[in-house]
Amino acid sequence: QKEVEQDPGPLSVPEGAIVSLNCTYSNSAFQYFMWYRQYSRKGPELLMYTYSSGNKEDGRFTAQVDKSSKYISLFIRDSQPSDSATYLCAMTGSGYSTLTFGKGTMLLVSP
Amino acid sequence: DAGVIQSPRHEVTEMGQEVTLRCKPISGHNSLFWYRQTMMRGLELLIYFNNNVPIDDSGMPEDRFSAKMPNASFSTLKIQPSEPRDSAVYFCASSSGTSGQQDTQYFGPGTRLTVL
Repeated sequence: QKEVEQDPGPLSVPEGAIVSLNCTYSNSAFQYFMWYRQYSRKGPELLMYTYSSGNKEDGRFTAQVDKSSKYISLFIRDSQPSDSATYLCAMTGSGYSTLTFGKGTMLLVSP
Repeated sequence: DAGVIQSPRHEVTEMGQEVTLRCKPISGHNSLFWYRQTMMRGLELLIYFNNNVPIDDSGMPEDRFSAKMPNASFSTLKIQPSEPRDSAVYFCASSSGTSGQQDTQYFGPGTRLTVL
């Protein structure tokens, strides 16, 4: 079992839809959870950062962490064509010196 | 700030040749990371430097790969000899914290390497 599992997609939705992207993980020591967005032929950029369990909202984006289930989610409301990208989850724990990334989910939002 | 700078952006070489990828981190950042991204394996950490010192090189696939950071503003990743299975996008990232991974990593645009 890989440490972080993420459905590669592609996930195709119409503009305005609510999008749910998810990752599961196996390492209970992970405490810091991130979502990176990567546009085609670009480097990943940090989108959301959460610590431990709970929700965090930033505009149209909400990150959710459920440590008991080892499950994290990213919700995008009112999705836009400009949201079309690959979304990678990443996580780490205290005392760790490296991030563990999911493989990424490709999202396509059609006008 | 110009962000993380990588060169070259594209590299096409023949099997057996030496390849050198270069990275200039964001000024003031003291952690630098080299990653490799492929469709099959996703984004993999190759090596991590803190204050120019290699801290974790467990991701370096084999002796053909080597990385150096002679100063705070420059790092290289070298593959010698290169093989077709090394074809991938190589990213450099930097961050500003001393705590390592909890700090935001800023990625460069990547070098797309094709080994024929």
